[in-house]
This record gives sequence, structure tokens and C-alpha cells, in this order.
Amino acid sequence: SQTIHQWPATLVQPVGSPLSLECTVEGTSNPNLYWYRQAAGRGLQLLFYSVGIGQISSEVPQNLSASRPQDRQFILSSKKLLLSDSGFYLCAWTADSNQPQHFGDGTRLSIL
Amino acid sequence: DQQVKQNSPSLSVQEGRISILNCDYTNSMFDYFLWYKKYPAEGPTFLISISSIKDKNEDGRFTVFLNKSAKHLSLHIVPSQPGDSAVYFCAASERGSTLGRLYFGRGTQLTVWP
Repeated sequence: SQTIHQWPATLVQPVGSPLSLECTVEGTSNPNLYWYRQAAGRGLQLLFYSVGIGQISSEVPQNLSASRPQDRQFILSSKKLLLSDSGFYLCAWTADSNQPQHFGDGTRLSIL
Repeated sequence: DQQVKQNSPSLSVQEGRISILNCDYTNSMFDYFLWYKKYPAEGPTFLISISSIKDKNEDGRFTVFLNKSAKHLSLHIVPSQPGDSAVYFCAASERGSTLGRLYFGRGTQLTVWP
């Protein structure tokens, strides 16, 4: 069966520090991968998506970037975190666009 | 612009009764609709989906109804149980798109009390 892993579960970072969140999927090949952010009291906002290695698309301009160095690995990064980057970050995968997306357990990011 | 809306931020229901969660959408191109359940500090879990060619889909205690003319869908939980207490997100997508991007509502907090 397929599983998705995200780490770390929680992270506290100072403003201006770098960020790297990792997501890996097991049990499937060539998944579509997604990064979402949920701010307090808001729905899930799509940040990045990828349909293959090295193929990244961004939904909204922001202080973050994403990379897909391997088929089942998706990384969310920032060179310098802002206070507004605080939130709950979720990675998701799907086998294709006709299937539900499945989410990891998320990373709670707090910026001080 | 919110293309998927859940206008009730919270719902409280007694155990054993029916819970009805509502969702509206504005984009007529949406043809695939999903409900997710989310507990605190966890990612959303897929619950049930419905294609626009249907108007009802059942899975155990969960039934989703779709009214395309009204651009409205609802999730019915019968009977409700305390373990159903969670945030429920409605989502929609265009199945024909290669991305399969989901548009989410802001969620409804369901509380089922004994």
C-alpha cells in the first residue's frame, strides 16, 4: 500500500532563517505531488505542484520554493523565513488527476 | 476568490442523530467532488467522493448528495458518533485537467456530543 511521510512534525524557526521540509511517498511511481498551506481559520491553499521529477509549478507568488529531486521526494524550501510563513504545511500525492489526493500528517511551522 | 464555500464554520449534533454538512461551489467546470475529514495536528483523510454524473454516493454511514443545478453538495452522516468530531473539508476539481488541482472550502468543525 502507499504511504506518505512528512517531517518534521513541528518546527520553530527564527525570522530570516532557512527552511527545508521534506515529503516522501512510498508504494507508487510517478505520483503527482502537492504542497499546501493551511493558515489559522482558513482552507487549504495550494502552493506548489509537480507532475514529474524536476517539474515544479507555483500557484501563488511567495517566499517559498519547491524541488523534486527524485520521483517520490518533494521538498519545500525557503532561504529566509518571514513571520507570514507560519502555518500548517501539508504534502499530498495522487496517482492521477482522477483519484483523490492523500495527505501526510503535516508540519506545524512557527516563526518567531 | 473562494470557488468552494462552506458557510457554516461549526455544527453541533447529538450522538445518534444525522449530521448534515453543506458546501457550495461557483465553478461550473468542476466535475469531481470530495470530502475530507481532519483531526487536530493531522493531515486530512479522504472520506468520500462523487462524480458529476451522479447525484448520490453512499459509503456506510456517509452519503454525499450533489445538486448540480444549485452547485451544492452535502455530506450526511447517519448515525453520528463522537468519533466523527473533526473538521470536514469539501473539495472540488476538474477531472479533465492534468494537474487534478483541488479547491478546498474553509472547513466545518463538527462536534458530536453524547
